Amino acid sequence: GAVVSQHPSWVICKSGTSVKIECRSLDFQATTMFWYRQFPKQSLMLMATSNEGSKATYEQGVEKDKFLINHASLTLSTLTVTSAHPEDSSFYICSARDNFGTGNYNEQFFGPGTRLTVL
Amino acid sequence: SQKIEQNSEALNIQEGKTATLTCNYTNYSPAYLQWYRQDPGRGPVFLLLIRENEKEKRKERLKVTFDTTLKQSLFHITASQPADSATYLCALRSNYQLIWGAGTKLIIKP
Repeated sequence: GAVVSQHPSWVICKSGTSVKIECRSLDFQATTMFWYRQFPKQSLMLMATSNEGSKATYEQGVEKDKFLINHASLTLSTLTVTSAHPEDSSFYICSARDNFGTGNYNEQFFGPGTRLTVL
Repeated sequence: SQKIEQNSEALNIQEGKTATLTCNYTNYSPAYLQWYRQDPGRGPVFLLLIRENEKEKRKERLKVTFDTTLKQSLFHITASQPADSATYLCALRSNYQLIWGAGTKLIIKP
């Protein structure tokens, strides 16, 4: 099945620093990737939709200058949390659709998530 | 307002019994609804998708129903096993987005 990896799986950083999270589709190409944030016992909140070769589409209320997204290839999207603050501490999850596969187009394959803790 | 709701309380079920989880929504007309499983500290894993014109979908021990009149989907696990313990999320497709419920934690007791 389609596999999505994320790196790192967890990160602890000081307030004011920037953190980059990578999302890779390992065995398929993904024109579209999604970035979510999840707080404990809450639902997944879509932050942005990342499109290969073009600018990301951000959801309302998500600061695009704070959460920089780059989707440079069909297998890699990165999320950079700039000038991180304690309130940015959360579980960040990416997902991808296998746009070129023969499976269920509507199925999203999720990465294992990245736990970010900002001190 | 638009809402998608899952029971926030954990569901405790005895091993071997059928577990039934509920997903209710208001003010949406979803083209389809999906169910995912999420284990602690992990990303969700897709289980089943059911379209608006389908009443029921099955996959091994899993069964999903979709009632667009009641605006409700039920997710059943038959012959439940401790390994089925996880949080189960429903998500509906609306306006090209997936809208997620907060999930219900299922605990299967041996």
